[in-house]
Amino acid sequence: TQLLEQSPQFLSIQEGENLTVYCNSSSVFSSLQWYRQEPGEGPVLLVTVVTGGEVKKLKRLTFQFGDARKDSSLHITAAQPGDTGLYLCAGGAGGTSYGKLTFGQGTILTVHP
Amino acid sequence: GAVVSQHPSWVICKSGTSVKIECRSLDFQATTMFWYRQFPKKSLMLMATSNEGSKATYEQGVEKDKFLINHASLTLSTLTVTSAHPEDSSFYICSAISGGRAGRNIQYFGAGTRLSVL
Repeated sequence: TQLLEQSPQFLSIQEGENLTVYCNSSSVFSSLQWYRQEPGEGPVLLVTVVTGGEVKKLKRLTFQFGDARKDSSLHITAAQPGDTGLYLCAGGAGGTSYGKLTFGQGTILTVHP
Repeated sequence: GAVVSQHPSWVICKSGTSVKIECRSLDFQATTMFWYRQFPKKSLMLMATSNEGSKATYEQGVEKDKFLINHASLTLSTLTVTSAHPEDSSFYICSAISGGRAGRNIQYFGAGTRLSVL
């Protein structure tokens, strides 16, 4: 069974601060997705990374996939109240688990004005 | 593109009744759909994998007779919660992938269904 450890589980910061969320595993993933979810809604895909060492930027968000494809991080620069939400990392295994995702525990981010 | 519609968004039912939730891929054909359950402020818990034209694959601990899944077409999967009880109250979310997206494990999610069993 693949596990994806996501940390921290809760993050409460002031507007303008930077933050990093981590996802770590002992397993190798063929791809890794980051999702953001607001209360009462479904998760929305932010990014997919598939290559070891890959870095993707989405405005103030920077996503990195570890060289060994076992870990990933999400860094937010100058957080804003609109960034508040539940952030989920999810790893894809491929093979017989084609299409299936293993989710981290989630990080609840609250950005105070 | 990649829009997944889930209906209803909120349902309240009496204990003992059955509730059907629909998940539709609006602009692509979904060979595979997934059903998740989510508790407040928690991550998604996979319940089952739904493949068009075949039986669903349930995760360990999920009662297949309790949570009936039907994937009759490439754009529609349904989850029926049979004989619902208050402990079944939860947020249920579906997701869908198509062949190309499956290779990258990219799932697109519906907006979820809040089920409250009285």
